Amino acid sequence: DIVMTQSPDSLAVSLGERATINCKSSQSVLYSSNNKNYLAWFQQKPGQPPNLLIYWASTRESGVPDRFTGSGSGTDFTLTISSLQAEDVAVYYCQQYYSTPFSFGQGTKLEIK
Amino acid sequence: QVQLVESGGGVVQRGGSLRLSCAASGFTFNAYDMHWVRQAPGKGLEWVTFIRYDGSNKYYADAVKGRFTISRDNSKDTLFLQMDSLRAEDTAVYYCAKDLTLNSWGRGTLVTVSS
Repeated sequence: DIVMTQSPDSLAVSLGERATINCKSSQSVLYSSNNKNYLAWFQQKPGQPPNLLIYWASTRESGVPDRFTGSGSGTDFTLTISSLQAEDVAVYYCQQYYSTPFSFGQGTKLEIK
Repeated sequence: QVQLVESGGGVVQRGGSLRLSCAASGFTFNAYDMHWVRQAPGKGLEWVTFIRYDGSNKYYADAVKGRFTISRDNSKDTLFLQMDSLRAEDTAVYYCAKDLTLNSWGRGTLVTVSS
């Protein structure tokens, strides 16, 4: 089974500053036949279901602001928020859909400093 | 627009059963794979189960294998989760989500297993 580990567990960033969340998988989620990383990022605000931000490690979902960027390949991935806005306060999860059981990271809580 | 509405949650005794439903609309249901994901109170997301668009393949987390069954009725645009032999640790909000990439989610239904 693939274990997803995020760092840090929590993060406080000033408005307008950059926020970076890391995600590491216990084995590669890069499928060699199509050169795609089976890795997604989700945002969850209190009392709401999760919302897909990024899939294939770096493809932004329709409607997601371009301040959200996904990067990385193989086993190491990053979600970057270039200029933090108040509405970005949430818990962020990475998830692999390379092989079952599909698995989520433990989550990173992002707050305003 | 895509809409997913879960129902069927509630309070059940340990060892009991529940059947959750997820009514889909706004997209061609029979063309998309579907998931169930759960979230225990105050905890993170846990993937539960996945079914291919035509029901041909089903996959489960080890924690629910042999106790939960995913199914779908493409004629009624509905996804199901049959949950048997429920345990206290199954207490959670259960979400259905669309497509391999979980690109749309319902608002969830709460299942509480009491001892």
